[in-house]
Amino acid sequence: EMQLVESGGGLVQPGGSLRLSCTASGFTVSDNYMSWVRQAPGKGLEWLSIIYIAGNTYYADSVKGRFTISRDTSKNTLYLQMKSLRAEDTAVYYCASAIAPAQFDFWGQGTLVTVSS
Amino acid sequence: QSVLTQPPSASGTPGQRVTISCSGSSSNIGSNYVYWYQQLPGTAPKLLIYSNNQRPSGVPDRFSGSKSGTSASLAISGLRSEDEADYYCAAWDDSLSGRGVFGTGTKVTVL
Repeated sequence: EMQLVESGGGLVQPGGSLRLSCTASGFTVSDNYMSWVRQAPGKGLEWLSIIYIAGNTYYADSVKGRFTISRDTSKNTLYLQMKSLRAEDTAVYYCASAIAPAQFDFWGQGTLVTVSS
Repeated sequence: QSVLTQPPSASGTPGQRVTISCSGSSSNIGSNYVYWYQQLPGTAPKLLIYSNNQRPSGVPDRFSGSKSGTSASLAISGLRSEDEADYYCAAWDDSLSGRGVFGTGTKVTVL
């Protein structure tokens, strides 16, 4: 059974850092496009980043230079390293696998990140 | 900063047909596939339509998608109470160095 489980969310102070993990089972992370999408409280979906099968990475302007997407094939896990966090980064963060760059066919349950002092 | 524009809300009575529009530009909808996602309250989004008008296995044929130029639409026919949810369009955008973009989202209410 395919499953994506996010972890690493929590409360962090403005300017701080956090690393989110997304562990896959039932399929191989490196054989798929993998993305991060977030949703601020009461708001819509915001695409953040994608890592291609070949390893290319792309970012939304809102997180470029602050967030880094990566994967560990030995752990079958996707990561999102976040630094210089701001209050507006407060959101539920979802990882998703994709057959094509915007075709997110499978999603994790999400992990909440709260940036507050 | 959503690049794709959707109406904030849509509604209908059970059995009616509801249509949701998604307006973009030549760099996203105009040159790439459109996808639609359904998000039920408190849950992760679910892929509803891919490649403009294709339904994944398990999605009822009450849901249909179409695309014309730089706009797309999602239609829900035979509206049911369980269709009450938020719906988002999405596409890849070729501008800048490339990025994914979502629509602003539409809340569908079954009256």
